[in-house]
Amino acid sequence: DAGVTQSPTHLIKTRGQQVTLRCSPKSGHDTVSWYQQALGQGPQFIFQYYEEEERQRGNFPDRFSGHQYPNYSSELNVNALLLGDSALYLCASSLALAGGITGELFFGEGSRLTVL
Amino acid sequence: AQRVTQPEKLLSVFKGAPVELKCNYSYSGSPELFWYVQYSRQRLQLLLRHISRESIKGFTADLNKGETSFHLKKPFAQEEDSAMYYCALTRIQGAQKLVFGQGTRLTINP
Repeated sequence: DAGVTQSPTHLIKTRGQQVTLRCSPKSGHDTVSWYQQALGQGPQFIFQYYEEEERQRGNFPDRFSGHQYPNYSSELNVNALLLGDSALYLCASSLALAGGITGELFFGEGSRLTVL
Repeated sequence: AQRVTQPEKLLSVFKGAPVELKCNYSYSGSPELFWYVQYSRQRLQLLLRHISRESIKGFTADLNKGETSFHLKKPFAQEEDSAMYYCALTRIQGAQKLVFGQGTRLTINP
């Protein structure tokens, strides 16, 4: 099992452009969460997808959107990029447990986005 | 508001010495607390969670609700403990998002 895989690993964009990041969850997992990690900071929750729907969202603008496919893979889209969007974007997968509890998160290695 | 504070960005100790990484939190309700670790050139991974009450790689952490703390401790540090450590919390029952602290970089000197 390759675990959580993310692509691309690095990318450079300019202000105003749009970007799509992709994530394949660990085998057997059905829930995908996205986090933004700025340099020197801890990860910040963007949103979580379960059963192809956004289940919870952090304090991020609508420029950040996502999608989950029937095979549980997920995309993170960011429109109208700003310099401040430069960060490491982490995907984490988990298995939804009874009672709406989320199981242990397994993280990918991240996609490093640089906005010039 | 949910917040996790790790007051030390950097912590350096000698091999064999005790280690304590501090974590304080603010949360209105019953949180679940975690420690995540990131070793050099590896991905972020769960070290331990307070609900499990386990000792992982010699590390323990006790949830102190009175002091709203969840400090990570190890009696005898080893060089392989050098890593970035993040304290995090989430809501028990229906937990969705993790709130992370800024992290503490632990260096174990030989």
